[in-house]
Amino acid sequence: EAEVAQSPRYKITEKSQAVAFWCDPISGHATLYWYRQILGQGPELLVQFQDESVVDDSQLPKDRFSAERLKGVDSTLKIQPAELGDSAMYLCASSREEPDTQYFGPGTRLTVL
Amino acid sequence: GESVGLHLPTLSVQEGDNSIINCAYSNSASDYFIWYKQESGKGPQFIIDIRSNMDKRQGQRVTVLLNKTVKHLSLQIAATQPGDSAVYFCAETPMDSSYKLIFGSGTRLLVRP
Repeated sequence: EAEVAQSPRYKITEKSQAVAFWCDPISGHATLYWYRQILGQGPELLVQFQDESVVDDSQLPKDRFSAERLKGVDSTLKIQPAELGDSAMYLCASSREEPDTQYFGPGTRLTVL
Repeated sequence: GESVGLHLPTLSVQEGDNSIINCAYSNSASDYFIWYKQESGKGPQFIIDIRSNMDKRQGQRVTVLLNKTVKHLSLQIAATQPGDSAVYFCAETPMDSSYKLIFGSGTRLLVRP
């Protein structure tokens, strides 16, 4: 069964450092999402791509966060500089089109010290 | 504003009993609803979905009920098993938000042996 892949699974960094997360969606899925999930809460959308284009980045803190999906397949989410409040699980999801079922990857657990 | 809430943060059930997890949503324009299961350290796993033109949908051991009159969603799990222990999220997609998925805060299901 096809799955969304994410790496790394865990990342520990010091504040003010740069971090990057990678996501490979399910093959053929045109829509890709990055979510942030704080412990004990539901995921919150950061950015949504349709192919290589950003559809919604209204909740992305653009002063420090950036996301790209250059070839419309895999995607990278970057934080620079990281802050203590960025500690969370970063989840990637994909769907064939919108609206459609979103399938999630295992996430990257970020800890900022 | 948009919000998806859950009535109970934790639900404890005896193995073999049926479980019912409830969810209230506030946006009457929501068109699509999904239940996700999230085990510790993992990404949300799709369980079942329902569109607003339906009031009931059944899967394997799970049933989702949608009451649009009172904006209420529920997930019923038959013959609850230890493997069902997890946090369950309901999510909605308001039609007026470019199909952004909005999650509630989750209900933890504990299955007693």
